Amino acid sequence: EAGVAQSPRYKIIEKRQSVAFWCNPISGHATLYWYQQILGQGPKLLIQFQNNGVVDDSQLPKDRFSAERLKGVDSTLKIQPAKLEDSAVYLCASSKGQGATDTQYFGPGTRLTVL
Amino acid sequence: QKEVEQNSGPLSVPEGAIASLNCTYSDRGSQSFFWYRQYSGKSPELIMFIYSNGDKEDGRFTAQLNKASQYVSLLIRDSQPSDSATYLCAVNKRSGGYQKVTFGTGTKLQVIP
Repeated sequence: EAGVAQSPRYKIIEKRQSVAFWCNPISGHATLYWYQQILGQGPKLLIQFQNNGVVDDSQLPKDRFSAERLKGVDSTLKIQPAKLEDSAVYLCASSKGQGATDTQYFGPGTRLTVL
Repeated sequence: QKEVEQNSGPLSVPEGAIASLNCTYSDRGSQSFFWYRQYSGKSPELIMFIYSNGDKEDGRFTAQLNKASQYVSLLIRDSQPSDSATYLCAVNKRSGGYQKVTFGTGTKLQVIP
């Protein structure tokens, strides 16, 4: 079974530029998560999808971040315009979406550096 | 008060010793508790989860849950240098019709040969 795929693995941009990250979850997984992990901190949930719909985007800075999940499969996270404080690893995870013991599987992450 | 709290460490233990990692949570409605391991520069990977009070063992790992004290721990027996990593505690609760997971900041473990 293939794992969660993410691209690109690394991205360097200047502040005020835009960037997009792509995620392909494990086949059949209903729930998809985007996390931001700043060095030395735990993953912070940005947005959670259940199939096509958003169930939690309470911590997504909506003035600059947007995300979509097309046809309940792949997802894209965009930042426009980027700020210095957006430098972090962006992790995508997926799970079956089946109750309290639902296990998340993480992709390799995208390391973003904003100069 | 943070939803999930962990001591950031580093926790240093000699090879072969028992490493004890602790996590407290604030919401009594939390249902299940996960331990993930994250090597430097890598993504988190699941070690185990627990949802009933008591102990759950998986190989060298034992998770312990005490809901009354809102406390969950991970014991690593016979610690190896390869166990050196950051250990993330994650707490799952039902919220508005979906499962909400919150991660702690992680505890860095160093196993000294």
